[in-house]
Amino acid sequence: DVKVTQSSRYLVKRTGEKVFLECVQDMDHENMFWYRQDPGLGLRLIYFSYDVKMKEKGDIPEGYSVSREKKERFSLILESASTNQTSMYLCASSNQRDLETQYFGPGTRLLVL
Amino acid sequence: GEDVEQSLFLSVREGDSSVINCTYTDSSSTYLYWYKQEPGAGLQLLTYIFSNMDMKQDQRLTVLLNKKDKHLSLRIADTQTGDSAIYFCASKEAGTALIFGKGTTLSVSS
Repeated sequence: DVKVTQSSRYLVKRTGEKVFLECVQDMDHENMFWYRQDPGLGLRLIYFSYDVKMKEKGDIPEGYSVSREKKERFSLILESASTNQTSMYLCASSNQRDLETQYFGPGTRLLVL
Repeated sequence: GEDVEQSLFLSVREGDSSVINCTYTDSSSTYLYWYKQEPGAGLQLLTYIFSNMDMKQDQRLTVLLNKKDKHLSLRIADTQTGDSAIYFCASKEAGTALIFGKGTTLSVSS
């Protein structure tokens, strides 16, 4: 079974802190994604990556950056956390550009105080 | 930009059929997906359909695609309380990222 893991299920941070959210997949997938999920807004794509050291902006990249140094790991970085970044963050991976069945991690619920 | 629309809530009784509807704007969509999210969990792929198909059946699930109207539906037969979840419709054009709808919350009462 494909496994996508995220480093934390729940995280509480203070405004201005630098926050790292880690995602690891064990199926040698090329593609990895970061979404945030908010009530009434559904899933919104923050960043994605089709290869190591490669990144593409999604729909809402502002305030975020990403790192893909190894194929299995995709990190989401909040350089200076703000309260409007309180959300559920979902990581996903997939292995084909076209069919793109995405496998999701369990999510990290981040609260920024 | 491209968009995927779903109604936000659906409430059914146990044993009834549920029909969740979705419309999309991208006529180039090659694949359409249904994902399920149970409380506190990530999304899980339920089923998908290629754009050159009209229907796909998988046990209790039936997906219908009307490409002319850009309308996708998911029918769950004999709905159970365990089917209570958020259901996301998503579309994809070759070489692009998935576009998700906002999700339909299905509530099943016994």
